[in-house]
Amino acid sequence: AQTVTQSQPEMSVQEAETVTLSCTYDTSENNYYLFWYKQPPSRQMILVIRQEAYKQQNATENRFSVNFQKAAKSFSLKISDSQLGDTAMYFCAFMKHAGNNRKLIWGLGTSLAVNP
Amino acid sequence: DAGITQSPRYKITETGRQVTLMCHQTWSHSYMFWYRQDLGHGLRLIYYSAAADITDKGEVPDGYVVSRSKTENFPLTLESATRSQTSVYFCASSASGSYNEQFFGPGTRLTVL
Repeated sequence: AQTVTQSQPEMSVQEAETVTLSCTYDTSENNYYLFWYKQPPSRQMILVIRQEAYKQQNATENRFSVNFQKAAKSFSLKISDSQLGDTAMYFCAFMKHAGNNRKLIWGLGTSLAVNP
Repeated sequence: DAGITQSPRYKITETGRQVTLMCHQTWSHSYMFWYRQDLGHGLRLIYYSAAADITDKGEVPDGYVVSRSKTENFPLTLESATRSQTSVYFCASSASGSYNEQFFGPGTRLTVL
């Protein structure tokens, strides 16, 4: 069975600095998707970034980028130029690429505080 | 309004009562999901549906019932609420395309006294 581990329950960063959130996963699958979701205090879950395992190039979305290391089964999220609005819980999630499967396996989350 | 909505947003009920949480999406997404979110457990899948009239159990289905007679609606019923079902419940939907992104509703905070 797949598992997702986020080893940092809480992190903090100063505004405008860079922070990296860690995520590791365990799977025997070769084809899969990885996601980072953000949950701000409003509770709304929002997709931040996604990565397809067959793509070697790391995904980037504006200030958010990932470091995807397939062999190491690592999928870290880097937030550059941190903003106060980045304060949120961040969840890493895994999805097996298999037919109609759409089930996400979630990590427990990392609470990020961006300090002024 | 376009998107995915949940109702009610907050609900307080008593042990043993039946409660139904509603979820409605306007995108005609094939897939819909119900999660519960609890401290220390993250998000756990309760039930999901690949299409109208097709549902399947997730990780924690006991005590819950779902139905999906229409593509846009996916109600979750707690047949006899227990205190352990106090949680925040999220509904999500996903298109059948390859990107697989799940879009989430705003959540329902349920308290069972």
